[in-house]
Amino acid sequence: GQQVMQIPQYQHVQEGEDFTTYCNSSTTLSNIQWYKQRPGGHPVFLIQLVKSGEVKKQKRLTFQFGEAKKNSSLHITATQTTDVGTYFCAGHNNNDMRFGAGTRLTVKP
Amino acid sequence: ETGVTQSPTHLIKTRGQQVTLRCSSQSGHNTVSWYQQALGQGPQFIFQYYREEENGRGNFPPRFSGLQFPNYSSELNVNALELDDSALYLCASSPDPNTDTQYFGPGTRLTVL
Repeated sequence: GQQVMQIPQYQHVQEGEDFTTYCNSSTTLSNIQWYKQRPGGHPVFLIQLVKSGEVKKQKRLTFQFGEAKKNSSLHITATQTTDVGTYFCAGHNNNDMRFGAGTRLTVKP
Repeated sequence: ETGVTQSPTHLIKTRGQQVTLRCSSQSGHNTVSWYQQALGQGPQFIFQYYREEENGRGNFPPRFSGLQFPNYSSELNVNALELDDSALYLCASSPDPNTDTQYFGPGTRLTVL
């Protein structure tokens, strides 16, 4: 069945540094979503990517969907302490939605 | 906030017991999905309900069952609890089964002793 792998598992950065998390699916996806979960909170929807090669930006966050629609990345420029949390990708295909294990980001002020 | 509510927030049960968790969807949403999130892991899809019918199921045993009511609120029932069932249980609503965006509730933290 479909598997979604996410790396790295953890990332610790100094405030102001950049951060990137990568998501890879074993199968071609119809779309991919990204969520952020703060410590003790629940996943909050960030964005959905649908088209091959799609790039979307939200302020300091840049999301990419690979040409083969099997991988994706989330890049944060100049991290802030408010970026702390776990970032999950969720791949969707044929009514099957699989979350990656997440990348936990910590930011040192 | 998403407008999705869950109850209770925390629950402690013993092995072999049964539990019912509840979810109230965001207004206007007729589709609800349930997820199990173990500590340090991503949410794992349990099942989805659309207009009171099961509309997809993940790799969970039959002792995990659900209901959706006419007002689109939902229940997750787990029988014969096992220690490994300890997790955060999340429900997520969406306007319809074809909309992939999930609006998550705060979750119920279940501990099985």
